[in-house]
Amino acid sequence: GDSVTQMEGPVTLSEEAFLTINCTYTATGYPSLFWYVQYPGEGLQLLLKATKADDKGSNKGFEATYRKETTSFHLEKGSVQVSDSAVYFCALSTPGRRALTFGSGTRLQVQP
Amino acid sequence: NAGVTQTPKFRVLKTGQSMTLLCAQDMNHEYMYWYRQDPGMGLRLIHYSVGEGTTAKGEVPDGYNVSRLKKQNFLLGLESAAPSQTSVYFCASSYSNTLAGVYNEQFFGPGTRLTVL
Repeated sequence: GDSVTQMEGPVTLSEEAFLTINCTYTATGYPSLFWYVQYPGEGLQLLLKATKADDKGSNKGFEATYRKETTSFHLEKGSVQVSDSAVYFCALSTPGRRALTFGSGTRLQVQP
Repeated sequence: NAGVTQTPKFRVLKTGQSMTLLCAQDMNHEYMYWYRQDPGMGLRLIHYSVGEGTTAKGEVPDGYNVSRLKKQNFLLGLESAAPSQTSVYFCASSYSNTLAGVYNEQFFGPGTRLTVL
């Protein structure tokens, strides 16, 4: 079956540091890939997505590139802010499937 | 435009009690979903609905029932709560998915934290 593996957290960084959160996947068929973010006390929000190989999703300074050869979709940001502190979920969707398959989430803590 | 709302926000139950969680969306979405979120396990799909009057099982449906009598509402019921159902429950909605793999974004509610003693 489909699965998503994320690096375990928490990830603790200082403000303006570079961020990478690793995500790899296994899927039947050709998946679409997503990053969702969950701020404290809130539901999940779509951060970015990519629907085919070599696509780069980007939003709010975050980027992730769909790498089919390595089955990866790593999240990066060049300079994190305290306001980026949240839990980040990598997820996938395959054609015909009704819902998302989520990774376990990675908590990011950014210190001033 | 409130998006997706969930009630209640918090609830504590004793083993064997029943309750219903309500999800409402005002975006005229066809699809609605119930997920549970547990530490270290991400979100897992409990049940979903592809339209008014229809429901289907997700990956962890045991112990839950759902109903979608109106397009904008999706109810999740626990008939006899168990401690294993202690979790945070999220409702989501989206426009209809397509078999071609084009994804329609899911919009999530703020969650309900349920504790079963």
